[in-house]
Amino acid sequence: KNEVEQSPQNLTAQEGEFITINCSYSVGISALHWLQQHPGGGIVSLFMLSSGKKKHGRLIATINIQEKHSSLHITASHPRDSAVYICAVRSYSGGGADGLTFGKGTHLIIQP
Amino acid sequence: DGGITQSPKYLFRKEGQNVTLSCEQNLNHDAMYWYRQDPGQGLRLIYYSQIVNDFQKGDIAEGYSVSREKKESFPLTVTSAQKNPTAFYLCASHPQGGGNQPQHFGDGTRLSIL
Repeated sequence: KNEVEQSPQNLTAQEGEFITINCSYSVGISALHWLQQHPGGGIVSLFMLSSGKKKHGRLIATINIQEKHSSLHITASHPRDSAVYICAVRSYSGGGADGLTFGKGTHLIIQP
Repeated sequence: DGGITQSPKYLFRKEGQNVTLSCEQNLNHDAMYWYRQDPGQGLRLIYYSQIVNDFQKGDIAEGYSVSREKKESFPLTVTSAQKNPTAFYLCASHPQGGGNQPQHFGDGTRLSIL
């Protein structure tokens, strides 16, 4: 089973700062997902990557398949970005129908 | 708008009591999933269903049961056999054969023991 490690576990920053959250995994994958979980608990899918880089608004996600590493960046961070960010990978031979293995999440707080 | 509806948002259970968590989707997705989330841990798969009238155990199915009588609905029952049911439960769905399309998640149900 794939192991997914996220860092940092907790991150507090000031409004406007550039934020980076990292995700490493242990075995080959077919896709990597970045998810956002708001304080109420609901989860929204931000990105799905299999290579390269994707951008949506102030969010940028990159993946390096050779290094088994992905980063999520937030530019010009805002208090409304405060949430838990979760990395999940779909392994080629993962367990369950979805084959998804989830990281423990990064709890981000953006202070005004 | 299409989406996943979980109810109730908060649920309390007495010792020895079964409770059922509701999950309904109007996305016309074939596959549905139940996850459990505990503090400091990643989501763990409880049960999943890829088609009506069929479902499979995930990684932590003991003490749980499900049914899939309709495409739209995938209720989860937390039985008295589940010794540590206090957790946050998330339902998700996915188009069958959707390959690497993202899953859609509900807003979750928080279950607590009285």
